[in-house]
Amino acid sequence: AQTVTQSQPEMSVQEAETVTLSCTYDTSENNYYLFWYKQPPSRQMILVIRQEAYKQQNATENRFSVNFQKAAKSFSLKISDSQLGDTAMYFCASANYGGATNKLIFGTGTLLAVQP
Amino acid sequence: DAMVIQNPRYQVTQFGKPVTLSCSQTLNHNVMYWYQQKSSQAPKLLFHYYDKDFNNEADTPDNFQSRRPNTSFCFLDIRSPGLGDAAMYLCATSRGAVDTEAFFGQGTRLTVV
Repeated sequence: AQTVTQSQPEMSVQEAETVTLSCTYDTSENNYYLFWYKQPPSRQMILVIRQEAYKQQNATENRFSVNFQKAAKSFSLKISDSQLGDTAMYFCASANYGGATNKLIFGTGTLLAVQP
Repeated sequence: DAMVIQNPRYQVTQFGKPVTLSCSQTLNHNVMYWYQQKSSQAPKLLFHYYDKDFNNEADTPDNFQSRRPNTSFCFLDIRSPGLGDAAMYLCATSRGAVDTEAFFGQGTRLTVV
């Protein structure tokens, strides 16, 4: 069975600084996807960034980047130049590759607070 | 504009009284999912529909049922809610391939009294 672990329940960062959120996962699959989703207060969850396990290059989306270490089964999210709007719960998730559906296995989340 | 809409945002129901949560989508996506998110826990998939095909997760209690009368709508029915069913229920959609984004609604917060 797939599992996703986020060991940081809460984190805080000053505006404009950089913060890294940690995630580890376990899977017996060789091909899979990893995701970071953001859930702002009282708003819907949205995709931040995704990584295909077969790609060695780390995914980047503007201020968001990942450090994907496949052998270590680690998938951390780096947020650069943090903004107040980045305050949210961040979920790390995995999904098997090759299926017709996107069944996500989530971690327990990290609550990030960006301080002014 | 909201693309996945869940109603109501907050639902209070009595112990043992059937309750239905609603989800609609304007994305015309093939797949619709229901996740249960209890406090301080990871969201957990209950079941999903691929078009009209229903797929139940192995550990989803029989107390939970779902209906999808058409592409746009999906319902979560809890036949006899217990106190342990209090949670946020998230509806999501995707186009039907694992490399596409899942779109979530804002969730329905269910309280059982």
